[in-house]
Amino acid sequence: GNSVTQMEGPVTLSEEAFLTINCTYTATGYPSLFWYVQYPGEGLQLLLKATKADDKGSNKGFEATYRKETTSFHLEKGSVQVSDSAVYFCALSVGRRALTFGSGTRLQVQP
Amino acid sequence: NAGVTQTPKFQVLKTGQSMTLQCAQDMNHNSMYWYRQDPGMGLRLIYYSASEGTTDKGEVPNGYNVSRLNKREFSLRLESAAPSQTSVYFCASRHMTGTGDTYEQYFGPGTRLTVT
Repeated sequence: GNSVTQMEGPVTLSEEAFLTINCTYTATGYPSLFWYVQYPGEGLQLLLKATKADDKGSNKGFEATYRKETTSFHLEKGSVQVSDSAVYFCALSVGRRALTFGSGTRLQVQP
Repeated sequence: NAGVTQTPKFQVLKTGQSMTLQCAQDMNHNSMYWYRQDPGMGLRLIYYSASEGTTDKGEVPNGYNVSRLNKREFSLRLESAAPSQTSVYFCASRHMTGTGDTYEQYFGPGTRLTVT
């Protein structure tokens, strides 16, 4: 079956620090990969996506590259802000199937 | 364009009570989904509806039923609530066609349910 593994949180960083949240996956078939973000008390919002190998998704300073050889889709940001504090979910979708989510990683950015 | 809306936002039930969570989308999406979110477990799929008139079980369907009322609306019913169903419930929708699928799912704001 399909599964997504994310690094455990919380991740606590100081403002302007570099962020990496690791995500690896297993999938039958050829998945599309996503990062979603959930701010406190809200639903999930799509942050970025990549639909084929070597694609780089980017949005709001966040980036992730679809690495088929390592089955990974790590999320990075060069300089985090307090407003980036949220829970980040890595997810995959194969064809027409519903998304499969990782367990989420809470990011706390301190001023 | 409201996107995906859910009602209610909060609900407290006693064990054995029933209730229906409502979800509607105005994006003309044909697929709709219900997830539950529990601490440390991410989102788990309860039921989904690939198109109007069809519903299928997801990963954790026990204790739930769904109805795809029309293209816009997809409701989730708890017939006899149990404390294990205390969770945050999210509805989502997605546009799926034979070609040019929209891959991402759009989520509602969630319903926080507590069963005592």
